[in-house]
Amino acid sequence: NAGVTQTPKFQVLKTGQSMTLQCAQDMNHNSMYWYRQDPGMGLRLIYYSASEGTTDKGEVPNGYNVSRLNKREFSLRLESAAPSQTSVYFCASRSGSSSYNEQFFGPGTRLTVL
Amino acid sequence: DAKTTQPPSMDCAEGRAANLPCNHSTISGNEYVYWYRQIHSQGPQYIIHGLKNNETNEMASLIITEDRKSSTLILPHATLRDTAVYYCIVRTNTNAGKSTFGDGTTLTVKP
Repeated sequence: NAGVTQTPKFQVLKTGQSMTLQCAQDMNHNSMYWYRQDPGMGLRLIYYSASEGTTDKGEVPNGYNVSRLNKREFSLRLESAAPSQTSVYFCASRSGSSSYNEQFFGPGTRLTVL
Repeated sequence: DAKTTQPPSMDCAEGRAANLPCNHSTISGNEYVYWYRQIHSQGPQYIIHGLKNNETNEMASLIITEDRKSSTLILPHATLRDTAVYYCIVRTNTNAGKSTFGDGTTLTVKP
């Protein structure tokens, strides 16, 4: 099992450009999450999907959109990138249906917006 | 999810026990306490969780007070590789989805 995979690992954008961050999990988990982490800070929840077909806003959703394409995949889109969106983006998943319900995280996407 | 409060940083001598506190005074009866850690710039990694009983696994021990308003993560013999940011979060185990992290405690293990 690959666990949670994210693409790309690194990306540099110019202000105003758009891009989509991809996330996939092969653990048959119900819930998936997108977080951002600014330098020296903790993780802040952008969006989450409790189950296939549903998405909800987290703490910092402005400037982002998400798509839960199927049970495996959860993408994050920046329509018009801004320098304030320079951050490391982590995707995570959890089963949501058992007592062992920990989150599994991907390796992160390091995004720089110039 | 209930809010948690952790000290921003702690130091520990190599080989000694590291005790990381977490306050969660607004925890609900069906919320679990989870601990994760993040080494350098990697994705956070699960350590341990509990509801009301103390828990132990190969990585750490979790002590939850009787009123469940606070907990302590114990790394019994800290090594340099345990230097990381440790996050305490509380949430239910249902499929409700939402899971928020605070800023955590930066633990520095010193030789």
